[in-house]
Amino acid sequence: GIQVEQSPPDLILQEGANSTLRCNFSDSVNNLQWFHQNPWGQLINLFYIPSGTKQNGRLSATTVATERYSLLYISSSQTTDSGVYFCAVGGNNNDMRFGAGTRLTVKP
Amino acid sequence: DAGVIQSPRHEVTEMGQEVTLRCKPISGHNSLFWYRQTMMRGLELLIYFNNNVPIDDSGMPEDRFSAKMPNASFSTLKIQPSEPRDSAVYFCASSLDSLGQAWDTEAFFGQGTRLTVV
Repeated sequence: GIQVEQSPPDLILQEGANSTLRCNFSDSVNNLQWFHQNPWGQLINLFYIPSGTKQNGRLSATTVATERYSLLYISSSQTTDSGVYFCAVGGNNNDMRFGAGTRLTVKP
Repeated sequence: DAGVIQSPRHEVTEMGQEVTLRCKPISGHNSLFWYRQTMMRGLELLIYFNNNVPIDDSGMPEDRFSAKMPNASFSTLKIQPSEPRDSAVYFCASSLDSLGQAWDTEAFFGQGTRLTVV
């Protein structure tokens, strides 16, 4: 199956800083979605983005499917952005496979 | 819309007992995924259904695990007999598939069931 690698594994930021999270995948994908798992364990949808660029407030994402990666940008980070960010991808069989995540800690 | 609903939210059981986890997908969604999350292994896909039919159960760890989707509104994941190493958070997700490909639109997750087997 498709391998999904996320980097960095851990990230510590000061409030107000910007960050870029990366998701690399080993094969062509038909689907890609970013999630935020909050400290209570809930998986929150951020972007469904198999290709192209999307923005939602301080967050934006870009997927370059031909080069097998996606980026999640967080600007002006806030303490409430803390948690784990997951990338999930689906290949030809359209299952949904997760990376190991990036654990983000935003300090006040 | 109530979202994906999982029950129970927490389950504590003794080793050897049968455990049944339940999931109600979002109304109108026709794809359903079961995941297990642990610190060691992250989010593992156990099985997924499309139009109530299991598509791939290769992620089910052992024969002790089974899943059913008797109708479009309900799915169960059963562990019999349960073991301490089954302790984890189990998530269910659903999406609307319009291309016969299981996942081709945004997927939504339930709040999970935290299972502890003692």
